[in-house]
Amino acid sequence: QKEVEQDPGPLSVPEGAIVSLNCTYSNSAFQYFMWYRQYSRKGPELLMYTYSSGNKEDGRFTAQVDKSSKYISLFIRDSQPSDSATYLCAMSGKGAQKLVFGQGTRLTINP
Amino acid sequence: DAGITQSPRHKVTETGTPVTLRCHQTENHRYMYWYRQDPGHGLRLIHYSYGVKDTDKGEVSDGYSVSRSKTEDFLLTLESATSSQTSVYFCAISEAGRTTQETQYFGPGTRLLVL
Repeated sequence: QKEVEQDPGPLSVPEGAIVSLNCTYSNSAFQYFMWYRQYSRKGPELLMYTYSSGNKEDGRFTAQVDKSSKYISLFIRDSQPSDSATYLCAMSGKGAQKLVFGQGTRLTINP
Repeated sequence: DAGITQSPRHKVTETGTPVTLRCHQTENHRYMYWYRQDPGHGLRLIHYSYGVKDTDKGEVSDGYSVSRSKTEDFLLTLESATSSQTSVYFCAISEAGRTTQETQYFGPGTRLLVL
C-alpha cells in the first residue's frame, strides 16, 4: 500500500462546476500538506499549503485537511478551462527533508 | 519557476551513454532534489542534497549519481543510460529554517529519451 493514495482520474467536468480532489494517507506523522498544479509539459507549481488540520481558502480554491481521517481535499469553485491540469497532493512530517507525493489527478474542465 | 533552470531541456541519447543533467538555482536555497516523473508512478525522488557536498539517496537511486560542488548547482548523472531511464526529470529546491521548509519549488523539467 502506498503511503499516499490519490485517484489518478482522469476527471472531466463542465465549466462552472465545483471540483473535489482528494488524497488519503497512512502516516500519522504528516503535518504539512500541499497541493501542486501541473500544466502539460510544465513543472509542478505550488497551489496551496496547509499546516495541520483545518481549511485554507485562496480565491476559488479551498484546501481541507482532516487528520483524524487522514484525508485531504482540494475544492475548486466556479471551475474554468484554465484549471485543466494535473493536481498532485504532497505531504511531510515535521523536520522532514522529503515530500511524499500522490500520483496526481488529471482534471479537464470543458467549456 | 522560482529561479530554477534545468539544462538541457530535451535530450536524446543512446543506451550505454553517460548523461549529465544540470539544475541551477538563483534562490540560495539549501535543499535541492532530483525527481523523475513517469505515467502511473507520479513523482519519484532520485537523490537530494541538504548542502554543498551533502547528498542522500531517494527511492529510485539505482543507476544515478549526483554531485553538488556549489550551492547553486546540482548535477544528476546517468552513468550508463538505459531505456528504463527514459523519463521527465525535475529539479526542485527548498528553503531551510522556516515554517515553509517542506515546500518545494520545481524547475521546468528535462525530457530524456534513451534509445
